[in-house]
Formats: sequence, C-alpha cells, structure tokens
Amino acid sequence: DQQVKQNSPSLSVQEGRISILNCDYTNSMFDYFLWYKKYPAEGPTFLISISSIKDKNEDGRFTVFLNKSAKHLSLHIVPSQPGDSAVYFCAALDRGSTLGRLYFGRGTQLTVWP
Amino acid sequence: DAGITQSPRYKITETGRQVTLMCHQTWSHSYMFWYRQDLGHGLRLIYYSAAADITDKGEVPDGYVVSRSKTENFPLTLESATRSQTSVYFCASSDRGWPQHFGDGTRLSIL
Repeated sequence: DQQVKQNSPSLSVQEGRISILNCDYTNSMFDYFLWYKKYPAEGPTFLISISSIKDKNEDGRFTVFLNKSAKHLSLHIVPSQPGDSAVYFCAALDRGSTLGRLYFGRGTQLTVWP
Repeated sequence: DAGITQSPRYKITETGRQVTLMCHQTWSHSYMFWYRQDLGHGLRLIYYSAAADITDKGEVPDGYVVSRSKTENFPLTLESATRSQTSVYFCASSDRGWPQHFGDGTRLSIL
C-alpha cells in the first residue's frame, strides 16, 4: 500500500508560469517531507524540505506548502524555466522511527516549454 | 572528488549469475541505502545501513544481499539474478538519515 502518492504522472507548463506539483500521504506519523528532482541518467538530487511544524518553506523559486489536516503537500516553482524539466519525487518520513526511512511517491514528470 | 559513486554504470548479465553493484561515498556518512527504480513504482528501498556492520531490510529485500565492513562502502549483491531484478539501482548516503544524497545509478539488465 503506497503511503506517498503523486497522482499526476506528468505536468506541462509554459516557461515563466507557475508549476504546481502535488503530493498526498496517508501515514499521520510522517513529520518531515522532502522533494527531489531527477534528470535522466542521473540520481535524484535533494531540492527542498519541510517539517510538519511549518506550513511553508521557501528557497528561491521553490516553495513547498504543507496542509497537515488534508495530508497534502505541494511544490511551487515560480517562474518555471526549461531547466526545471525533470522528474520530481515527493518523499516523507517519520523521524521518530528507526533509521529515517524515506517513502517515495512515483514521481511527476515536469516539462517546461518555451 | 567528494561524493557518492556507483559502479558499474551499466551492466548486462544472465539469469542465475551473481552480480555485485558497488557504492562508495567520501563524506563518511553513517547511513547508506540501496533503492531500485522501476516504471510505475518510483523508488523502493531494498536495504539500508546505519553504520558499519549494521544493516537491515527495506521494502523489497528478497534476492539481494548487502554488507558494510567499511563506512564508505556498501555493495549490493544479487546472488542469483532473475529477470525481475532488471532495474535501475541507486545508492544513497546521509549523515543522519535525511536528506539522502544519491549516486547516479547503475542500470542493470538481466537476460
């Protein structure tokens, strides 16, 4: 049973516009959330994270929003650039559990077109 | 250069063969992880390790063996490869469990 879900396998956005990638989770014990970006033939790279005590975290063009009551988080990219085209993975963990195991969603392919 | 490296990057082998994927990190991170990535499944944890000589199973450990005699190395062995183990394998490391930093992967094809 998948505990982290990314229901949109793909998203296409015009350059300069906002990209919104969504993620839902089912385990209420998750208290830390991360986003990774992955280019073809490379490993995932850490992008941004948020703790469950916050509802927003910002880093340059990237902002992650967390809605704990809805068990939902989203990644906003503003403005979107062609170099942002990649697969984005949402991940979650329960920091109180052993070894900080990450649970990943299946990813969303973002395409930013000129 | 500092970082995490995986070898080989590509491997083709036959069913029933033993194959070992190597992972080496230069950060002296305590935690290391092995994932596989398959279409429709995202990243699934195979095994992880909290320190040298401490390993534990993840979500999909069957058919795999790991060892960690040194902090910097975490090899993954497929004892008798099967076609279902054709995948892209990623190694990751972390100093406290998160965030995890990934290698560039090994693409393994089993014929």
